[in-house]
Amino acid sequence: DQQVKQNSPSLSVQEGRISILNCDYTNSMFDYFLWYKKYPAEGPTFLISISSIKDKNEDGRFTVFLNKSAKHLSLHIVPSQPGDSAVYFCAASEVGTNAGKSTFGDGTTLTVKP
Amino acid sequence: GAVVSQHPSWVICKSGTSVKIECRSLDFQATTMFWYRQFPKQSLMLMATSNEGSKATYEQGVEKDKFLINHASLTLSTLTVTSAHPEDSSFYICSSPGQGAGGEAFFGQGTRLTVV
Repeated sequence: DQQVKQNSPSLSVQEGRISILNCDYTNSMFDYFLWYKKYPAEGPTFLISISSIKDKNEDGRFTVFLNKSAKHLSLHIVPSQPGDSAVYFCAASEVGTNAGKSTFGDGTTLTVKP
Repeated sequence: GAVVSQHPSWVICKSGTSVKIECRSLDFQATTMFWYRQFPKQSLMLMATSNEGSKATYEQGVEKDKFLINHASLTLSTLTVTSAHPEDSSFYICSSPGQGAGGEAFFGQGTRLTVV
């Protein structure tokens, strides 16, 4: 049973437009949700996170929205840039038990076209 | 931010041999290190959690005797794939928890293991 799901394996957007990456989870015990960016043959890089007590967190061009009742979160990138092209992983943590230990989705490959 | 250095970045070995992967925390003390495995176009699957000075905790289905984890110091954790077989070919990544409250972790660069 996959606890974190990213149903879109890929997304293609035009430079300057908004990219919206979606993620669903099933475990109500998750209290932090994170997005990581990954380039081929490299480890993931932390992008942004949100606590379960919030519904929005913004950092520059990146905004994460959390809908706890729907067990759904999304990452908005605006404006999208070609350098944003990468695989984006949604992850969830139960911080109280093991800080830094996350359950990952399968990833969404974002392609931003110039 | 904190840096986790993982080596080697890629390795090719023959079936039956053992391969050691190292993860070092360069500018902080890593009391905990997580080891993940990623198959192509799939998620990162947690294999085990290593804690400095104690035995590693393995996830269900991960063979302890095959994937030996050692965390002998606050800056070094190692994963040894013993008696490697082609099905062990994968991308292995380590990570260490960050200091923030958000549960984020710092990842190594990953190791591409190919067993021939």
